[in-house]
Amino acid sequence: AQTVTQSQPEMSVQEAETVTLSCTYDTSENNYYLFWYKQPPSRQMILVIRQEAYKQQNATENRFSVNFQKAAKSFSLKISDSQLGDTAMYFCAWYNTNAGKSTFGDGTTLTVKP
Amino acid sequence: DAGVTQSPTHLIKTRGQHVTLRCSPISGHKSVSWYQQVLGQGPQFIFQYYEKEERGRGNFPDRFSARQFPNYSSELNVNALLLGDSALYLCASSRRGYNEKLFFGSGTQLSVL
Repeated sequence: AQTVTQSQPEMSVQEAETVTLSCTYDTSENNYYLFWYKQPPSRQMILVIRQEAYKQQNATENRFSVNFQKAAKSFSLKISDSQLGDTAMYFCAWYNTNAGKSTFGDGTTLTVKP
Repeated sequence: DAGVTQSPTHLIKTRGQHVTLRCSPISGHKSVSWYQQVLGQGPQFIFQYYEKEERGRGNFPDRFSARQFPNYSSELNVNALLLGDSALYLCASSRRGYNEKLFFGSGTQLSVL
């Protein structure tokens, strides 16, 4: 079974500092995509960053970047210069292109402290 | 352009009843996906539709069904409601549904009493 594991239920970081959220996944597929989504208290899910599994280069979106280690099946999210608005639950997700199916982890609650 | 819209925002039903949830995708998006999110957990994939055809199905019982209309809007139907069906139901749209990012609606909060 394909699974996504986020081993850190809760994390906190001081404003302006850097934090890394961990994610591991288990699949035998070769054709897939990985995502990080943010869900603030409003519960509106917002895409943060996307990584194609066939690309070795790590994706970057402004203050957000990933460390994608395909052999280790690891996909961590680094948030630089943390802002109060980054406080939210963060979900790692894996998309199976062949089956048209997404699998989400159980999330990491991130709190940015002033 | 309007984002993904879902209706209703909140719904209260009793066990055994039937419910229909509705979703309108972003204009130009041809794929709609449905997710169930229980409080404190990640979203669980239910269905994906692309061009009115089912492209993917999660591990949900046959009480759950969905369809996509010619205008790409979608309905999720749940029959014989159980207490455990209480959750936030999220709809997401994407242009093609293969590798593109999902745009989520604000969800429908379903409470089954």
